[in-house]
Amino acid sequence: LAKTTQPISMDSYEGQEVNITCSHNNIATNDYITWYQQFPSQGPRFIIQGYKTKVTNEVASLFIPADRKSSTLSLPRVSLSDTAVYYCLGRGTDKLIFGTGTRLQVFP
Amino acid sequence: ETGVTQSPTHLIKTRGQQVTLRCSSQSGHNTVSWYQQALGQGPQFIFQYYREEENGRGNFPPRFSGLQFPNYSSELNVNALELDDSALYLCASSSDRDLPYEQYFGPGTRLTVT
Repeated sequence: LAKTTQPISMDSYEGQEVNITCSHNNIATNDYITWYQQFPSQGPRFIIQGYKTKVTNEVASLFIPADRKSSTLSLPRVSLSDTAVYYCLGRGTDKLIFGTGTRLQVFP
Repeated sequence: ETGVTQSPTHLIKTRGQQVTLRCSSQSGHNTVSWYQQALGQGPQFIFQYYREEENGRGNFPPRFSGLQFPNYSSELNVNALELDDSALYLCASSSDRDLPYEQYFGPGTRLTVT
């Protein structure tokens, strides 16, 4: 099982870039790294997924170094609406294994 | 395109009772997964159904059971409710044609057991 470790919480201000790093030392060769976002009283929402190097979409960027033992989710210019819990998943199946996530609080 | 819907939104039950939660998949999705989320925790995988067959189960006792129907909607049944079953129950649908870890979650059913 690919256990992931990420900070419990982070604070930021509107307009700043936020980087959330996740450690997954035991990731398997065929595992992808996936990130989900969850707002209060809602189900999680898929943000981004990658295998190596860099992936970018309209929401975020995901940076994965060559050894794949960690990954960094980058949120450019956050707004108040980005306040949420962010989960890093490193399991190589579709039975998603969530940790406790990183609670991001964005202040005005 | 209709997203994942769940019913009811909230539910209060007494210990020992039975409960059925319902989920309608997103159009075109043939896989449904159920998760339990306790307060302050991440979702925990209960089980998954693919084309009406159970396709994987997490560390939950047999009193948690499910069904998937031909239209790919699904039910989660919990018998002999315990206080610790109080949680947000989430269902997520996905398609075997999409990324395996890209699941679409419903808003959840908040179950309170007293």
